[in-house]
Amino acid sequence: NAGVTQTPKFRVLKTGQSMTLLCAQDMNHEYMYWYRQDPGMGLRLIHYSVGEGTTAKGEVPDGYNVSRLKKQNFLLGLESAAPSQTSVYFCASSYQEYYGYTFGSGTRLTVV
Amino acid sequence: GENVEQHPSTLSVQEGDSAVIKCTYSDSASNYFPWYKQELGKRPQLIIDIRSNVGEKKDQRIAVTLNKTAKHFSLHITETQPEDSAVYFCAANYQLIWGAGTKLIIKP
Repeated sequence: NAGVTQTPKFRVLKTGQSMTLLCAQDMNHEYMYWYRQDPGMGLRLIHYSVGEGTTAKGEVPDGYNVSRLKKQNFLLGLESAAPSQTSVYFCASSYQEYYGYTFGSGTRLTVV
Repeated sequence: GENVEQHPSTLSVQEGDSAVIKCTYSDSASNYFPWYKQELGKRPQLIIDIRSNVGEKKDQRIAVTLNKTAKHFSLHITETQPEDSAVYFCAANYQLIWGAGTKLIIKP
């Protein structure tokens, strides 16, 4: 039982490049989330999903897209990376709403 | 929308003393309040949570209290130990609007 797995763990992108972050969970959780964490700002919700085939915008969705084609996977895409997207990205999942999250180990992304 | 304020931003306590971190929220409809601990370079981990139908919840040295009227909830850590040093985050409701975090430092 791996919990929540994020790939890659580290990535350096040039401005304008694209990439996809993968989040996979094996706990049969309905809800999945993508957050970014910047120093001194806590975690900010980018997008989330309440079930297979659904996505919704969070607090800071601009510049990101997501897809949840399979219940266990939640993908975060950056179409044209910008230096402002340099951050640590965390994926999380939960059984239902009003339940605690299980987080992945994070992806440290640097855009130069 | 929901807004969560967390205080203090840094808290330094002597080992063995108690630590209290407080969060206030704005949306009176919020009904789920978790606390997470994040050690340096690691992922946040849920340490305790409370739902709005409960005023207090305890788990060994950790407790959370909720005052729905005043719209605030607090994390209490008793008999602090060096391994309690971390950043603690509060959050409100299922979309988890997060507080900015409290860096807890345990002095030996």
